[in-house]
Amino acid sequence: GAGVSQSPRYKVAKRGQDVALRCDPISGHVSLFWYQQALGQGPEFLTYFQNEAQLDKSGLPSDRFFAERPEGSVSTLKIQRTQQEDSAVYLCASSREATRGEQYFGPGTRLTVT
Amino acid sequence: GESVGLHLPTLSVQEGDNSIINCAYSNSASDYFIWYKQESGKGPQFIIDIRSNMDKRQGQRVTVLLNKTVKHLSLQIAATQPGDSAVYFCAEMGSGGSYIPTFGRGTSLIVHP
Repeated sequence: GAGVSQSPRYKVAKRGQDVALRCDPISGHVSLFWYQQALGQGPEFLTYFQNEAQLDKSGLPSDRFFAERPEGSVSTLKIQRTQQEDSAVYLCASSREATRGEQYFGPGTRLTVT
Repeated sequence: GESVGLHLPTLSVQEGDNSIINCAYSNSASDYFIWYKQESGKGPQFIIDIRSNMDKRQGQRVTVLLNKTVKHLSLQIAATQPGDSAVYFCAEMGSGGSYIPTFGRGTSLIVHP
């Protein structure tokens, strides 16, 4: 079956531009996570949704980062006024269960801010 | 603060050998651990997990060992194949049902044919 998909796969933005990254989770999965992965590092948690509710956004690095999942399926991570330190791979993951279910990751969106 | 880390950043093995990837964790309250495999250009892929009430868990060609006394986790891959070449991450979740994994830095496994 189809896995988690993310678009675009690559995004180049000039500093100060706004970007929107999309995640299509596996159909029917309750939980959705966003992570940021710097080069050579492990993923770092950004935010978590259970259906349409954003239950945890403690990992968002600043108020320039905003995520939504209005209908409990597709999610968008928006970064306003991008800065060079935002350059990273942004990973989305979904899981069937509401808590510690196995997470299925998408391929990520590589964001480069110039 | 609490952290999860790996002893070796790169591990090179010959095809057919057994591989052992190590991970040290410092949060003694962690009660759930996961190993992920990440190939170039892809997201992490779940390999195997283990709860803190277990010392060992086996999957297909993989075994995870947990030593809570020294807060050490290892992933053993039997008969390593070129397709096993990837970066391997351990991740831990804190007690109380935390659903947010904290990932370590990763170990790059290189399998030579």
